[in-house]
Amino acid sequence: QLQLQESGSRLVRPSQTLSLTCAVSGVSISSDYYSWSWIRQPPGKGPEWMAFIYHTGSTYYNPSLNSRVTISIDTIKKQFSLTLSSVTAADTAVYYCARAPGYCSGETCFPPYYFDAWGQGTLVTVSA
Amino acid sequence: EIVLTQSPGTLSLSPGERASLSCRASQSVSSNYLAWYQQRPGQAPRLLIYGASNRAAGIPDRFSGSGSGTDFTLTISRLEPEDFAVYYCQQYGNPPRTFGQGTKVEI
Repeated sequence: QLQLQESGSRLVRPSQTLSLTCAVSGVSISSDYYSWSWIRQPPGKGPEWMAFIYHTGSTYYNPSLNSRVTISIDTIKKQFSLTLSSVTAADTAVYYCARAPGYCSGETCFPPYYFDAWGQGTLVTVSA
Repeated sequence: EIVLTQSPGTLSLSPGERASLSCRASQSVSSNYLAWYQQRPGQAPRLLIYGASNRAAGIPDRFSGSGSGTDFTLTISRLEPEDFAVYYCQQYGNPPRTFGQGTKVEI
């Protein structure tokens, strides 16, 4: 059974970098048919997709984050990670890792779809 | 980017009643690639529907999705106590993936 578990810094100072990791268990992280994603949800608001990554290292980012976000994957450790630089109070949110069905064919990976499994989420607060 | 507008913001109903939730897109959603999620308090969202009308694994058949183009609907045929929650739509036909602001179904 797939399990996703977020870990990382819960309190980040303004202008610093937020770092989170998601441990994947119960399934292969190296499937050509699934990608791995970060989504965040500010208090009282709807979710916002941030980034996808496939096991090949192929990535897709939300342009609204203005290149502040980086997603990476470690297939040996079965985990993927998020960094978000230059944080402000507006980055305070519950951060979720999730799995998204998608498709890779050889070197080409296509944009993934919806999110069929989610971690429990971790609240990250940006405050001095 | 596609903006998804959900209505109503809050739906007040009783157990056993029928709920109809709307999701309207600012432009046509490619291939009707629209999903619905349920979020209970303190929990992560749970996938209910994908491809506008396909129920995800383990989702009861009282949940159904319909629509195409820019107008989509999630229907809960008979509300159970555990269905009182917030529901979000999400489009995956166009980059970037976007979510609606949610509809709260309350007793």
